Amino acid sequence: TQLLEQSPQFLSIQEGENLTVYCNSSSVFSSLQWYRQEPGEGPVLLVTVVTGGEVKKLKRLTFQFGDARKDSSLHITAAQPGDTGLYLCAGDSAGNTPLVFGKGTRLSVIA
Amino acid sequence: DTAVSQTPKYLVTQMGNDKSIKCEQNLGHDTMYWYKQDSKKFLKIMFSYNNKELIINETVPNRFSPKSPDKAHLNLHINSLELGDSAVYFCASSQVTGALFETQYFGPGTRLLVL
Repeated sequence: TQLLEQSPQFLSIQEGENLTVYCNSSSVFSSLQWYRQEPGEGPVLLVTVVTGGEVKKLKRLTFQFGDARKDSSLHITAAQPGDTGLYLCAGDSAGNTPLVFGKGTRLSVIA
Repeated sequence: DTAVSQTPKYLVTQMGNDKSIKCEQNLGHDTMYWYKQDSKKFLKIMFSYNNKELIINETVPNRFSPKSPDKAHLNLHINSLELGDSAVYFCASSQVTGALFETQYFGPGTRLLVL
């Protein structure tokens, strides 16, 4: 069974701080997706990374896919209260296999 | 317009009852999913349908029966509800394009509480 481990599980920081959350696996994925889920809502896709070593930027968010396509990181610069939420990574092995989700990192940004 | 909608949003019921959750997507996607998110926020796939045909059925008790009357709808019927069924159930849809990856669009979730 493929597993995605996310760390840290919880993160509480002050507005303006930088942070990095991690998504690690011993399995290789054809792509890796990052979602943000706000309380009472469904997950919303932020980005998909496909190529090993790929870096994608979305405003203050920087996503990196590991060279071996087994891990990924999400870095947020100058966090804002609006960044608060549950960040989920999900790995896709292609073919007819379902997405595998990590357990998420719950981020709280305090004003 | 809501892309993926679910009803009801909240469902409180007694153990042993039978209940259904409905899902509709207006994105024209071929594939729909049901996920269960437990109290620890772990999101796990239950079923996947492609064009009304079941393609993924993870180890889910057979008290759970999905039904897809057409490719825009995927309903979930649960018989003999148990306390452990309490969770948030998410419906999602995606378009199979043959690309390396496909984006899944999630509904707002149905919060089921079994008493």
